[in-house]
Amino acid sequence: DAGVIQSPRHEVTEMGQEVTLRCKPISGHDYLFWYRQTMMRGLELLIYFNNNVPIDDSGMPEDRFSAKMPNASFSTLKIQPSEPRDSAVYFCASSIGREGQPQHFGDGTRLSIL
Amino acid sequence: SQKIEQNSEALNIQEGKTATLTCNYTNYSPAYLQWYRQDPGRGPVFLLLIRENEKEKRKERLKVTFDTTLKQSLFHITASQPADSATYLCALDSGGGADGLTFGKGTHLIIQP
Repeated sequence: DAGVIQSPRHEVTEMGQEVTLRCKPISGHDYLFWYRQTMMRGLELLIYFNNNVPIDDSGMPEDRFSAKMPNASFSTLKIQPSEPRDSAVYFCASSIGREGQPQHFGDGTRLSIL
Repeated sequence: SQKIEQNSEALNIQEGKTATLTCNYTNYSPAYLQWYRQDPGRGPVFLLLIRENEKEKRKERLKVTFDTTLKQSLFHITASQPADSATYLCALDSGGGADGLTFGKGTHLIIQP
């Protein structure tokens, strides 16, 4: 079975450019999560969706970050404009239910903002 | 503020021995606690989940304990193998409410042949 698919795997871009990260969750999963991982802060939840509706975006660092889930099989995380401090690995995860349920992670997008 | 602590130093264990990893938390009342494994360049992979009313959970060579009084979980790998070398993350789940999982920074485990 296909797991969570993220693209691109690596992204290098210059400061000020728009960055779009993509995620395809596991079919049938009703929750989708976006995380960011850095050495300093570890793995941080940015936003999560239930049935395509954003539930909690309190982890989104700034208005430069936005996330959408137009349908059950696709989500995007956009950064506009990007800054060097946004450099990190961004993970998408999905699950069936939220409370007490394991999350299935993609292999992440390594983002470098020059 | 809420805080989750895992051994920040790498843990070196001889092959065949039991590896024990610690997850301590403060200012938190999790309903569940999860453990994940992360390999370099990969996403975390779910291993085990334990509920607040469970003391211990086992899966093959893995064992997790959960002490809500001490606010601590221990993760054990028995008969450790070099293939067990990875970073192990604990994650707290408050249960109901809007919060998602809160992860510790992980412990890097190295099993030496």
